[in-house]
Amino acid sequence: DVKVTQSSRYLVKRTGEKVFLECVQDMDHENMFWYRQDPGLGLRLIYFSYDVKMKEKGDIPEGYSVSREKKERFSLILESASTNQTSMYLCASTDRGQGSHNEQFFGPGTRLTVL
Amino acid sequence: QKEVEQNSGPLSVPEGAIASLNCTYSDRGSQSFFWYRQYSGKSPELIMSIYSNGDKEDGRFTAQLNKASQYVSLLIRDSQPSDSATYLCAVKGGGSNYKLTFGKGTLLTVNP
Repeated sequence: DVKVTQSSRYLVKRTGEKVFLECVQDMDHENMFWYRQDPGLGLRLIYFSYDVKMKEKGDIPEGYSVSREKKERFSLILESASTNQTSMYLCASTDRGQGSHNEQFFGPGTRLTVL
Repeated sequence: QKEVEQNSGPLSVPEGAIASLNCTYSDRGSQSFFWYRQYSGKSPELIMSIYSNGDKEDGRFTAQLNKASQYVSLLIRDSQPSDSATYLCAVKGGGSNYKLTFGKGTLLTVNP
């Protein structure tokens, strides 16, 4: 089974702090994704990565950056946390190999509160 | 802008009934279609995927795809209270883009 883990389930930070959210997958997947999920807005893609050191902006990249130094690990960075970044953050990964239909598998999520 | 629309909930059905969840998509070149179940406070869990027109059955779940009508549905037979969750429809567009477009979800409540 695919396993995607995230560094924290719950996180509370102060406005202006730099925040790191980490995601690790154990299935050697090439593609990894960061979403945030808010009531009424659904899942929104922040960034995704299709290979080590490769990244592409999603729909709402402002205020975020990412890092992928190793294939299994994808980090989301909030450079200066703001209250409007309070949300559930979800990491996902997917294979892109021959025969893959690109099913995305999600980690447990990190509920971030910025005070 | 690729869009995925789901029937607005919430949907409430009695235990043992069939729950029907619907989804339409705008990108005619879409290739793969997924249904995720999300319990409150939890992350989405993949429960069904479908790639060809027609029906695909897995236990109490049946996914139906009609590419001509750009429509995909999920039927849950013999609904159980444990099926109460938000169901997300997700669509992979055509081309080599690996991204999925998600609907906003339909909240299903199964009443004992």
